[in-house]
Amino acid sequence: NAGVTQTPKFRVLKTGQSMTLLCAQDMNHEYMYWYRQDPGMGLRLIHYSVGEGTTAKGEVPDGYNVSRLKKQNFLLGLESAAPSQTSVYFCASSYPRTLAYEQYFGPGTRLTVT
Amino acid sequence: QQQVKQSPQSLIVQKGGISIINCAYENTAFDYFPWYQQFPGKGPALLIAIRPDVSEKKEGRFTISFNKSAKQFSLHIMDSQPGDSATYFCAASMYNAGNMLTFGGGTRLMVKP
Repeated sequence: NAGVTQTPKFRVLKTGQSMTLLCAQDMNHEYMYWYRQDPGMGLRLIHYSVGEGTTAKGEVPDGYNVSRLKKQNFLLGLESAAPSQTSVYFCASSYPRTLAYEQYFGPGTRLTVT
Repeated sequence: QQQVKQSPQSLIVQKGGISIINCAYENTAFDYFPWYQQFPGKGPALLIAIRPDVSEKKEGRFTISFNKSAKQFSLHIMDSQPGDSATYFCAASMYNAGNMLTFGGGTRLMVKP
């Protein structure tokens, strides 16, 4: 099993450009998450999904959109990138809490917005 | 407003020493407290976790101590090794629809040989 994979690994954008980050998991997890990691601030939740076709806002959702059209995929979109969105983005997945607590993380995408 | 505060931000320990990382939380509805370990260039991975109905949990060289009344919990790494050098995150979760985690700011640990 590949676990949680993220595409791309690195990306440089110019201010105002758009892009989509792809997350895929092969563990049949119901829940999926997008976090951003910035120095000294830990990981902050951007959006999450508790099932195919459903999404919800996390702690820092502004400037991002998400879609969960298939259970195994969770897409994060930046419509008009800003320098403040320079960060490392992590996707994670998990079972519902009634089954297990652990979240499994992907390797991350390093995004630079100039 | 950070609901989980972690200290110190960085820590240097000699090989064989004890590494201690502390976290404090505010929301008494939190009922699950994991620690994640992250190596450079990798995603975080679950290291150890505790529920508030116990005061201590030990797995090998790693121990979580939990103080419910003080709303604090800590990670102790005994006999620290250079291979333990990583960034450690505490987190907290409450029962809700999303199984969401609130993370502390992270501690970068360096174990010197």
